[in-house]
Formats: sequence, C-alpha cells, structure tokens
Amino acid sequence: ETGVTQSPTHLIKTRGQQVTLRCSSQSGHNTVSWYQQALGQGPQFIFQYYREEENGRGNFPPRFSGLQFPNYSSELNVNALELDDSALYLCASSSNRGLDEKLFFGSGTQLSVL
Amino acid sequence: EDQVTQSPEALRLQEGESSSLNCSYTVSGLRGLFWYRQDPGKGPEFLFTLYSAGEEKEKERLKATLTKKESFLHITAPKPEDSATYLCAVQLSGGGADGLTFGKGTHLIIQP
Repeated sequence: ETGVTQSPTHLIKTRGQQVTLRCSSQSGHNTVSWYQQALGQGPQFIFQYYREEENGRGNFPPRFSGLQFPNYSSELNVNALELDDSALYLCASSSNRGLDEKLFFGSGTQLSVL
Repeated sequence: EDQVTQSPEALRLQEGESSSLNCSYTVSGLRGLFWYRQDPGKGPEFLFTLYSAGEEKEKERLKATLTKKESFLHITAPKPEDSATYLCAVQLSGGGADGLTFGKGTHLIIQP
C-alpha cells in the first residue's frame, strides 16, 4: 500500500508568479484535500476534491484552485503569489468524501515566496 | 465562529513524567474530534478520533478523552520518541466537505 506522495518537496518563487503543486493519493482513496500550514500554526483547510469535483472550500481566495484526475491524484495551483503564501502545503487523502475518521497526509511541499 | 484552542503551546517534560495536553473547542456542531501527531518536516499522523462526550481511546502511552467542551490527550511515562507537535482538530457536522479545523498544536519535548 503506497502512501500519499507530494512533489516537489521544496519550491522557491517570487511574488506575482504562479505555482503548481502535485499530490498522489493513497491507493484506494477517492477524496483529496489540501491544507496550508504557516510556521507555528495548525493546518488550514483550502479545499477538497471528490470524484474530480470540488465539494468543499475553506476561506481562501479564487487564486487558489485545484484539479483532481481520474486516478484521484490532484494538483493545487496558486496564481499571483503573495509573500503570505509562504507555507507548508499539505495534501491528504481519504475515502468516502471526507467522512472517514482518518486523513492520510503527505509530507508536504515547502513553498517560499520572495 | 468555530474555534479550536490548544494549551499549553509548548511543554517540556522529563522522561517518565506524565502530563496532559488540552484542546478546547467552540463549534456549531461537532461530528468528530481528532488528534494528530506531527514530526518536524512531516505531515500530521493520525492518532485518535472521538465522537461523543465520555468516549476514551488509548494507544500505547497515549489516552484521549472527550467532554462537551474539551478533549485531553494524556501521556503516561513518556519517552524521548514521544517528542512531537500534537494537533487537535474538529470536523463539523455539515457532512465532511468542510475539512478539519485545527488548533495551533502543543509542541512536546521529552528530555532523557
């Protein structure tokens, strides 16, 4: 059973640029959610995808967007990067549209915006 | 506004010194309360889910309890490998698509 994998592990961008982060969900899971974790804070929910459609969203602006593919892998896209977007971005997979008791997290992508 | 508050922010214990971490919550409707462990440079790792007041769950040196307003993570005779950040999160009763609302975590250090 493969776990949740994220790429890249680290990324440096400049303000105004665009970035794409990738996530492969755990085998058998059809739901992917993305979280942003700033230094010293808990993870904050960005959005969730179930069967290739966004079915839940946290308090993040539209420049944060995503995709889920037929194999349940996912992308997080962030446009017009701001300095405050610097954070660890975590992907989590689960089954049953997030009603599962467990989320399985990847190790994250550390994004630095200069 | 739904809120999760963890205390203390940091805790340093000697090996074998038992203690408790607190998670208090104010939410419109609770579906479940989760505890996760996060090691540096890693994503959170699931520990427990609690669904109703009075429920308790145990795993090795850890025991989680739940009341209507707060949850405790009790750690008994901790070892240095228990050092980590412990995160509490709530899932609202809206159907699962709202994600989890996390607290800021308690950074636990166990000294040999």
